[in-house]
Amino acid sequence: QSVLTQPPSASGTPGQRVTISCSGSSSNIGTNYVYWYQQLPGTAPKLLIYKNNQWPSGVPDRFSGSKSGTSASLAISGLRSEDEADYYCAVWDDSLSDRVFGGGTKLTVL
Amino acid sequence: QVQLQQWGAGLLKPSETLSLTCAVYGGSFSGYYWSWIRQPPGKGLEWIGEINPGGRTNYKPSLKSRVTLSLDTSKNQFTLKLRSVTAADTAVYYCARDYDSSGYYYPWGQGTLVTVSS
Repeated sequence: QSVLTQPPSASGTPGQRVTISCSGSSSNIGTNYVYWYQQLPGTAPKLLIYKNNQWPSGVPDRFSGSKSGTSASLAISGLRSEDEADYYCAVWDDSLSDRVFGGGTKLTVL
Repeated sequence: QVQLQQWGAGLLKPSETLSLTCAVYGGSFSGYYWSWIRQPPGKGLEWIGEINPGGRTNYKPSLKSRVTLSLDTSKNQFTLKLRSVTAADTAVYYCARDYDSSGYYYPWGQGTLVTVSS
């Protein structure tokens, strides 16, 4: 049971906008930066968003991150078939002295 | 372009010690934290710990008693040792570079499946 709660699944059709939530607490999301990772089947995770809403080089701006209070969200606009993957949020937890990941959200492009 | 290449034994018996090494190619070893993250089959990601070139370490509290991270700066390599493994330690283990112990993991190694079975 992760301290960060993500919906286990999400779906959308090509071109749609999809949002994935990540709910935490004051000791993690409420205090520290949130990072988002995309994991395609059989591959290592890939950094999508850092420091809540920043893009690493090479990541398209179809992906965007936001944070409010103790929750964060990843939005994907102009959904494409290649976006079908697992998505994870990650943050440092001050109370646990641990870097925690959400349980992951499997995104299906219908 | 920095690349991470990892290797180690893929099959262990319960109570043995897991040992994985990650080599850093094409970039500086200094100035970053070097991390290990694992993923049990069909499950999510779990942070194990990190080490910086000065040898400072941070470990996941629940694994701290069994984990040791070390590094060899002359070879640009860092190593994970996990003692007394059980079936619960079966996972794909990834090494990754972290910018300033922030959670900015890039790049990642290719991953190594470690199976613990009697």
